[in-house]
Amino acid sequence: DAKTTQPPSMDCAEGRAANLPCNHSTISGNEYVYWYRQIHSQGPQYIIHGLKNNETNEMASLIITEDRKSSTLILPHATLRDTAVYYCIVRVGNSGGYQKVTFGTGTKLQVIP
Amino acid sequence: GAVVSQHPSWVICKSGTSVKIECRSLDFQATTMFWYRQFPKQSLMLMATSNEGSKATYEQGVEKDKFLINHASLTLSTLTVTSAHPEDSSFYICSASRENYGYTFGSGTRLTVV
Repeated sequence: DAKTTQPPSMDCAEGRAANLPCNHSTISGNEYVYWYRQIHSQGPQYIIHGLKNNETNEMASLIITEDRKSSTLILPHATLRDTAVYYCIVRVGNSGGYQKVTFGTGTKLQVIP
Repeated sequence: GAVVSQHPSWVICKSGTSVKIECRSLDFQATTMFWYRQFPKQSLMLMATSNEGSKATYEQGVEKDKFLINHASLTLSTLTVTSAHPEDSSFYICSASRENYGYTFGSGTRLTVV
């Protein structure tokens, strides 16, 4: 898996958009970008993933640069419940599979009232 | 969506005893599951890859005789911490992969060895 780098922490005002960056400069052509978050003392929760096109779902938007070396997760209207550690991961393929996933240190997002 | 159930959510055991943690895929079959360990204020550390019907693959530095993994069916993997010691106290998390869902994680098990 390609290595990812994320800022260790970020603050965001409640109701504002939270933009979480991730660098994956060594990503390969067949590797997808996945985002997860972990709320304290819970298992990680899937947020979104993409290959090269921007993606949006009910939770967030994912913007991937044209060269695919970085991406940004956008939470459009952050709430206090979005306070969590956010992990950016790259892995081969989109299928249910057998490739192990290793986690970096992630970004601790603190949403402030 | 894909659901992975992990049990128990927390357990306290005496030093020297063994503890079994279960990980079940509730609405899909998972030929491969993964076990992680997480210490306070740290990221998840992959311990091993559990393969249905075959031996688990352990990451470097993880003792296979201490952390026994059994993946006897397509919906169940178990992690047994044998002869637990206080340094084994941690948050243990399993995950399974399903097409188009990426990896789904269990809710974790908080193990405290006293």
